[in-house]
Amino acid sequence: DQQVKQNSPSLSVQEGRISILNCDYTNSMFDYFLWYKKYPAEGPTFLISISSIKDKNEDGRFTVFLNKSAKHLSLHIVPSQPGDSAVYFCAASPANNAGNMLTFGGGTRLMVKP
Amino acid sequence: DTGVSQDPRHKITKRGQNVTFRCDPISEHNRLYWYRQTLGQGPEFLTYFQNEAQLEKSRLLSDRFSAERPKGSFSTLEIQRTEQGDSAMYLCASSSVQGPSADTQYFGPGTRLTVL
Repeated sequence: DQQVKQNSPSLSVQEGRISILNCDYTNSMFDYFLWYKKYPAEGPTFLISISSIKDKNEDGRFTVFLNKSAKHLSLHIVPSQPGDSAVYFCAASPANNAGNMLTFGGGTRLMVKP
Repeated sequence: DTGVSQDPRHKITKRGQNVTFRCDPISEHNRLYWYRQTLGQGPEFLTYFQNEAQLEKSRLLSDRFSAERPKGSFSTLEIQRTEQGDSAMYLCASSSVQGPSADTQYFGPGTRLTVL
């Protein structure tokens, strides 16, 4: 049973436009959500996170939106750049659980075309 | 501090052999995690330590797998009698329990294991 799902395996966007990556989760115990970016042959790099007490968090070109009632989060990248081309993973962890093990989605491959 | 480091980056072994991987976390982080990632999937949790105590293990961690963090600093993950299904990227992450980045896990570059 996949508790975190990224239904779009790939996304192609023109440079300068907005990239929107989506993620759905089923476990209502999830309280903290993160987005990671991964290049081939490297480990995931932390991008941005959001706690369930917020519905939006912004960091430069990256904004994460959380809709708790829909159990949905999204990552917006504006403007998209060719260097953003990578696989993006959303991850979730339960509320104040010791250890906060992360459950990951399957990833979305973003391609930003010059 | 340069972040989480893992050694080796690549390991090719024959089925039935034992392998051991090492992870050095960010120095002030007291939590350390191991994940496994197979092609086309997201990372899957294996186990985690708080200081030297192993506090949680996934059902994915069969009895052929053992992890240690003897002094609460670096950790090792050993796989005994490797099988072809063990071929994957093994990722280590660390986090702090306090401060502005608490609960954010930072990953190392991974060790890619290929079992022939």
